[in-house]
Amino acid sequence: DVKVTQSSRYLVKRTGEKVFLECVQDMDHENMFWYRQDPGLGLRLIYFSYDVKMKEKGDIPEGYSVSREKKERFSLILESASTNQTSMYLCASSFAGANQPAYNEQFFGPGTRLTVL
Amino acid sequence: GQSLEQPSEVTAVEGAIVQINCTYQTSGFYGLSWYQQHDGGAPTFLSYNALDGLEETGRFSSFLSRSDSYGYLLLQELQMKDSASYFCAVGSQAGTALIFGKGTTLSVSS
Repeated sequence: DVKVTQSSRYLVKRTGEKVFLECVQDMDHENMFWYRQDPGLGLRLIYFSYDVKMKEKGDIPEGYSVSREKKERFSLILESASTNQTSMYLCASSFAGANQPAYNEQFFGPGTRLTVL
Repeated sequence: GQSLEQPSEVTAVEGAIVQINCTYQTSGFYGLSWYQQHDGGAPTFLSYNALDGLEETGRFSSFLSRSDSYGYLLLQELQMKDSASYFCAVGSQAGTALIFGKGTTLSVSS
């Protein structure tokens, strides 16, 4: 059974703290993604990675950084948390390559609901 | 800019048929996907259309018209468990990032 896990379901941090969100997948996927989800705004892409040590900015990268040192693990870092980063954070992974449904499907983790006070 | 438009809410009764439309404007196009998300859950993949036409998977079907930059998700024989949010998403390059719509909340009543 395919699995994407995230380090915490709920997290409460204070303004200015450095926050690490961890994501691990066991499907040997090349691609990994970080989204944030806010009511009425859908899923917005923060960063994605298509290989170890590679990263690409998504639509809203400001205030975030990422790290991918191993294929199965993709970390999202909030360098200095702010209240406007209170959100649900979703990690996903997928195969890379051909234009086939199996390669297009993204598998999501359960999400981390982050509250910044 | 890149955007996907879908209705914010749809309501229906059990046993009915509902269609959720999605129009897109993106710089590249590598297929239209649909995801379902129950309240408190993770999005899960429903369907994918790379070519024009209808794809059927059980009670759910998805349609794509690339010339119209338009697609829809058709849900038949609605059940209470179909109450969820549905997102359309466009891939701008095979196997990489998706651009998601803002989602349509479907409420099914008895």
